[in-house]
Amino acid sequence: EAGVAQSPRYKIIEKRQSVAFWCNPISGHATLYWYQQILGQGPKLLIQFQNNGVVDDSQLPKDRFSAERLKGVDSTLKIQPAKLEDSAVYLCASSLTGSSTGASPLHFGNGTRLTVT
Amino acid sequence: GQQVMQIPQYQHVQEGEDFTTYCNSSTTLSNIQWYKQRPGGHPVFLIQLVKSGEVKKQKRLTFQFGEAKKNSSLHITATQTTDVGTYFCAGHRNQFYFGTGTSLTVIP
Repeated sequence: EAGVAQSPRYKIIEKRQSVAFWCNPISGHATLYWYQQILGQGPKLLIQFQNNGVVDDSQLPKDRFSAERLKGVDSTLKIQPAKLEDSAVYLCASSLTGSSTGASPLHFGNGTRLTVT
Repeated sequence: GQQVMQIPQYQHVQEGEDFTTYCNSSTTLSNIQWYKQRPGGHPVFLIQLVKSGEVKKQKRLTFQFGEAKKNSSLHITATQTTDVGTYFCAGHRNQFYFGTGTSLTVIP
């Protein structure tokens, strides 16, 4: 099966600029996650979608981050305006079932490495 | 809030030595998953543990889930250079909480 697709692979922007990341999950996976991984740390959940609805966005900095999954398939994550501390790898993951059961493994994409200067 | 800690943060071993990483949660978990992330790569699922006291093996890797479902361990027997990477536990309680990771270096 095709894996989780993410683009771009790398992005360098100046602080206060905006940036968008795109993710296409594995076909048939209802749940989609966006994680932020700062160098040397574990992934931190930003937002979780079940089909096109938000399940958990409690750790999403909503003053600058937004995400959508309009048709319940692919998703975009946007940062506007970016800050220096947003420099990280943004990982998209998908799973067959939602994390309310915790039964399905997470399949991660290759991530987008964002550098904010 | 929910915290999942791992120790050690780094581990350097000679090829052929054993390796263990420990994962501890501040609260009881419903299940735990383990992932491996190669340098420059993304986390890849290894295994899931659900039951209290559960032990699972994958070739040279042994995974354990504590009786109280608050801790877990991953043990690798006779490490190989292909084992290099960062090992993360991800504890599940409403959502997945990733541990801080243990970076393994294997010296040939």
